[in-house]
Amino acid sequence: GNSVTQMEGPVTLSEEAFLTINCTYTATGYPSLFWYVQYPGEGLQLLLKATKADDKGSNKGFEATYRKETTSFHLEKGSVQVSDSAVYFCALTNYNQGGKLIFGQGTELSVKP
Amino acid sequence: EPEVTQTPSHQVTQMGQEVILRCVPISNHLYFYWYRQILGQKVEFLVSFYNNEISEKSEIFDDQFSVERPDGSNFTLKIRSTKLEDSAMYFCASRSDSQGNQPQHFGDGTRLSIL
Repeated sequence: GNSVTQMEGPVTLSEEAFLTINCTYTATGYPSLFWYVQYPGEGLQLLLKATKADDKGSNKGFEATYRKETTSFHLEKGSVQVSDSAVYFCALTNYNQGGKLIFGQGTELSVKP
Repeated sequence: EPEVTQTPSHQVTQMGQEVILRCVPISNHLYFYWYRQILGQKVEFLVSFYNNEISEKSEIFDDQFSVERPDGSNFTLKIRSTKLEDSAMYFCASRSDSQGNQPQHFGDGTRLSIL
């Protein structure tokens, strides 16, 4: 079945450091891939998405590239800020299989000033 | 920007009682979902709903759970007889299908605490 695996957290970085959060997936067909972010006490917000191989999603300085050959969708940001502290979830969906989201376990990011 | 709203934000209920969680999806959306997140764990799919019927449900969504869209705006999740293990954050989500491949938009969740 479909699944998503993320790197273990928590990840602690200093402000302006480079961020990578690894995400790999297993899926049949042609899934769409997403990163959602959950700030403390809030719901899930869509951060970025990619719907086909080699697509790059980007938003708020974050980027992720859909790599079919390595079944990966790693999240990167060149310079993190304290306000980026949150839990990040990688997820996939197959729209022709009903559209439910399959989430990774989440990676907590803590950015220190 | 339109958003998904959920009420209440926190619900405390005695074990064995019925609970109804309410959601107002984005108005032109056609697909509706419930997910749950047990504290410290991943977000898990419960059920999807389209065209006034359940389109898919997970093994978590047993006979104690039901969903309803009683009017044109609300989408509810009912747990008939709550158990301690139902304590979790419950998220509602919706998406349109106007162009295909549209992402799901989530509400802020209802924290359900079973005593």
